[in-house]
Amino acid sequence: AQSVSQHNHHVILSEAASLELGCNYSYGGTVNLFWYVQYPGQHLQLLLKYFSGDPLVKGIKGFEAEFIKSKFSFNLRKPSVQWSDTAEYFCAVNPRSNYQLIWGAGTKLIIKP
Amino acid sequence: DADVTQTPRNRITKTGKRIMLECSQTKGHDRMYWYRQDPGLGLQLIYYSFDVKDINKGEISDGYSVSRQAQAKFSLSLESAIPNQTALYFCATSDEYEQFFGPGTRLTVL
Repeated sequence: AQSVSQHNHHVILSEAASLELGCNYSYGGTVNLFWYVQYPGQHLQLLLKYFSGDPLVKGIKGFEAEFIKSKFSFNLRKPSVQWSDTAEYFCAVNPRSNYQLIWGAGTKLIIKP
Repeated sequence: DADVTQTPRNRITKTGKRIMLECSQTKGHDRMYWYRQDPGLGLQLIYYSFDVKDINKGEISDGYSVSRQAQAKFSLSLESAIPNQTALYFCATSDEYEQFFGPGTRLTVL
């Protein structure tokens, strides 16, 4: 079955630390890839997406992600986190054979001021 | 104004009661979705609809039903609520490339 794995359920960092959240998926075909963010008490918002082209994509608020096809990975990065980045981050994969999204379990990120 | 709205935002009910959660969107998309979110499980798809006449079960449809009243409206019903349906419920709509989410309904079944 198709699945998305996020390696860390909880991450705690200090402000200005670098961030990398892992995401791996199991699907052999062509995919669209997404990272969504959910700030405390808010709904899900799109952070960035990859459909094709440059495998390094840049999103809002200084986030970026790199698609490595050979590793079935789409890791999220930010060079210097801020307290306001405290949120839950979800990786999602859309196999292009259908229009559904397969979701990872999410990673709760806490940034200590 | 929000593109995807959900009512109610919070609901507490008792076991065995029938509950309806409503979703409306102004984005003009044909595709709509209902998800539930549980801590540590991410989002699980309950039902999805690609147009008014096309409704499909998701991975956890048991105990739920849906109605697509119009392109803009997609409601979720719990015919007889049970405590393990306590969760955060999200409605979403999508174009070909991205899903857009409502603010969520926090449902507690006692």
